[in-house]
Amino acid sequence: SQQGEEDPQALSIQEGENATMNCSYKTSINNLQWYRQNSGRGLVHLILIRSNEREKHSGRLRVTLDTSKKSSSLLITASRAADTASYFCATDPLIQGAQKLVFGQGTRLTINP
Amino acid sequence: DAGITQSPRHKVTETGTPVTLRCHQTENHRYMYWYRQDPGHGLRLIHYSYGVKDTDKGEVSDGYSVSRSKTEDFLLTLESATSSQTSVYFCAISSRDAANEKLFFGSGTQLSVL
Repeated sequence: SQQGEEDPQALSIQEGENATMNCSYKTSINNLQWYRQNSGRGLVHLILIRSNEREKHSGRLRVTLDTSKKSSSLLITASRAADTASYFCATDPLIQGAQKLVFGQGTRLTINP
Repeated sequence: DAGITQSPRHKVTETGTPVTLRCHQTENHRYMYWYRQDPGHGLRLIHYSYGVKDTDKGEVSDGYSVSRSKTEDFLLTLESATSSQTSVYFCAISSRDAANEKLFFGSGTQLSVL
């Protein structure tokens, strides 16, 4: 089945630096979403980008989508300790009747003070 | 967590026993989902519902059943629990009547099958 794959699996940076995570997927999509998960908690929606969009911003988050390469990136600028979490991409497949998001395995981001 | 309550939060059970997890929402949203999260597999969809008494299978539905008799409640049942069903289970709802957009997740249920 189609699956988003995040890269890298783990990322450790210093506070104040920018963090970039990538997601690749296999089939055409309606939209791609990014979620954050703090340890022991449920996922929290961060941002959604539709297949006809190339870039989207939300606060310190910037998401790009390249449908020709079937890839997306999430950039977190000026990172903070509170950004330490796992980040997941999720794709909405462009398949008639599909009613499910497909999640990747996530990138574990650690922000060092 | 956006009006979603999962119960219980933790459950330890023995192999072969039935287990029911409950998801309750106060948002009156149409779509509800059950996912399991395991190391190395990310989140995988078990079952979902698109309305009262309307449910369908997800990627890993074997060994699970669901029921939705009211808009606000979505139950996940393990008919005869196995050790492979030890996992963290998350319920989610869509943010509006459209599926697959901006899911809100509950806090999860940690299930251990011994």
